Amino acid sequence: ETGVTQTPRHLVMGMTNKKSLKCEQHLGHNAMYWYKQSAKKPLELMFVYNFKEQTENNSVPSRFSPECPNSSHLFLHLHTLQPEDSALYLCASSHGAGTGDEKLFFGSGTQLSVL
Amino acid sequence: GENVEQHPSTLSVQEGDSAVIKCTYSDSASNYFPWYKQELGKGPQLIIDIRSNVGEKKDQRIAVTLNKTAKHFSLHITETQPEDSAVYFCAASSSSASKIIFGSGTRLSIRP
Repeated sequence: ETGVTQTPRHLVMGMTNKKSLKCEQHLGHNAMYWYKQSAKKPLELMFVYNFKEQTENNSVPSRFSPECPNSSHLFLHLHTLQPEDSALYLCASSHGAGTGDEKLFFGSGTQLSVL
Repeated sequence: GENVEQHPSTLSVQEGDSAVIKCTYSDSASNYFPWYKQELGKGPQLIIDIRSNVGEKKDQRIAVTLNKTAKHFSLHITETQPEDSAVYFCAASSSSASKIIFGSGTRLSIRP
């Protein structure tokens, strides 16, 4: 275990559904990240939160909506997704983005299938 | 922005032989270069990293080298074992940036 827990591990949803991915870190870190992993782009950064503030949005479509209520929890709210959004969604944490200590600790991911 | 290229995309070596994976980066401001290993069904895990003030770093069978002038860095695994089979990612970032940019990954297979 890396100290970063993601739920659910697997999710199948229709294009009209609304679902949320959850990530929790038990490492005392201040930065949390969402990455998308697919065959086309193996590790694509989506969002960065540093001390609960969003510091990076890598041109992600608005059908993905992140939420970071505190430094330990990160959510990714999904609505009206497309089949091409099917991928492994990975959460990660680090001591603090831009602090010089960029070691990332990843969760095991949520495998998302959009039908 | 930073761009990281990684080669080869797949690599198969005989157990006991060495494996080398190479990466190049584009941003001369990058000063931190980690390597991650991803096993099936798991997220990537940091295995070794190097900063730009060091040319080489070793940890048991794993070593990383950095050539700042050429903007190249490489991962070397010696005496490969079956448990080394995985996907390996290189990455680069600068201390002022809030993001790490990853290479496209190398699927390493160790033949018994």
